[in-house]
Amino acid sequence: EAGVAQSPRYKIIEKRQSVAFWCNPISGHATLYWYQQILGQGPKLLIQFQNNGVVDDSQLPKDRFSAERLKGVDSTLKIQPAKLEDSAVYLCASGKYDGGAGDTQYFGPGTRLTVL
Amino acid sequence: AQKITQTQPGMFVQEKEAVTLDCTYDTSDQSYGLFWYKQPSSGEMIFLIYQGSYDEQNATEGRYSLNFQKARKSANLVISASQLGDSAMYFCAMRDGMDSSYKLIFGSGTRLLVRP
Repeated sequence: EAGVAQSPRYKIIEKRQSVAFWCNPISGHATLYWYQQILGQGPKLLIQFQNNGVVDDSQLPKDRFSAERLKGVDSTLKIQPAKLEDSAVYLCASGKYDGGAGDTQYFGPGTRLTVL
Repeated sequence: AQKITQTQPGMFVQEKEAVTLDCTYDTSDQSYGLFWYKQPSSGEMIFLIYQGSYDEQNATEGRYSLNFQKARKSANLVISASQLGDSAMYFCAMRDGMDSSYKLIFGSGTRLLVRP
């Protein structure tokens, strides 16, 4: 079974530029998550999708971040315009079920973003 | 509020010895799940082990076991017979039903270094 795919793996941009990250979850997984991991910290949830609907985006900086999950499969996370503090690893994860305390999340390799 | 605490920023262990990574959690929900993830220097988050709050037995997965002490709200990870490839960051995480998204809350991580 193929894992969660993400691209690009690395991205370097200037502040105020825009950037987009792509995620393809494990086939058949209903839930998709985007996390931000700043160096030295644990991941923090940005947004959670259930199929193609948003379940939780309470920690997404909506003035600059946007995300979509078309057709309940692939997802794109966009930052526009980027700030220096957006430098982080962006992790995508997927889960098989529609929630519940025991639903394991499986992570992709992440995209390391550097904003100069 | 939900919280995960990992008090060991870094640890050393001799190859082939066992090591315990500490994790305490805080939640007022009765139904919750506890997870451990490994993050090598390459960046991906690898799922290791899961413990449900109603599970009576401690979870085990190969060389990994979870020492679950519900009354003390601790969920320590035990790695037996450490290998050089175990050198990585280890994150404890929890999800409960306190909010509808069942999002994972991560600790700050413990960096484990296995000495040959």
